[in-house]
Amino acid sequence: EVQLVESGGGLVQPGGSLRLSCVVSGFTFSDHYMDWVRQAPGKGLEWVGRTKHRAENYATEYAASVKGRFTVSRDDLKNSLYLQMNSLNSGDTAVYYCTRGFQPDPRQHFYMDVWGKGTTVIVSS
Amino acid sequence: DIQMTQSPSSLSASVGDRVTITCRASQGIKNYLAWFQQKPGKAPKSLIYATSSLQSGVPSKFSGSGSGTDFTLTISSLQPEDSGTYYCQQYNIYPLTFGGGTKVEIK
Repeated sequence: EVQLVESGGGLVQPGGSLRLSCVVSGFTFSDHYMDWVRQAPGKGLEWVGRTKHRAENYATEYAASVKGRFTVSRDDLKNSLYLQMNSLNSGDTAVYYCTRGFQPDPRQHFYMDVWGKGTTVIVSS
Repeated sequence: DIQMTQSPSSLSASVGDRVTITCRASQGIKNYLAWFQQKPGKAPKSLIYATSSLQSGVPSKFSGSGSGTDFTLTISSLQPEDSGTYYCQQYNIYPLTFGGGTKVEIK
């Protein structure tokens, strides 16, 4: 069974840092892109960032709202995805989801096919 | 950035009704359009990718169509378990962007 389990959320003060983790199982992690998506309370979904796989040198992409503050990384040996979040502000308060990127065939882009349950980050003094 | 506009933002329909949700992209996204369903307090679930391909395990009452900038999600016969919020998402160009969501309620 494919599973993605996020952890590391919590309460942090404005300006602080937090590192989220996502441990996966049930599939070959190194073959997939991985994304972080967040959802502020009562709001819609917002893509945060992506890490590609080893074949593409683990290249990353980010939303403008987090670029320069957040870093997506992965450890294929530990089947783990990370989100390092720095200079946090109230606008970063959200549930953060880890998602798997799946490529249905080599000519197609990766899309998000499996989601974790999420971990909650609250930025408040 | 590509803006994704969903309509309606909410709808109420009866069991057995055919329901259609539309999603418009601010520029062409080829067929790189996905749909997700989210129930309150739960993670989103993938329904459709590449505009019209059904995610494994998703019932065939869900279907997607469209191309370029205009896309639709159709539920052929609405059931109580279909209530929730539906999101479209383009994954053609970074940043990946979602529509604002359509809340589906059962009358």
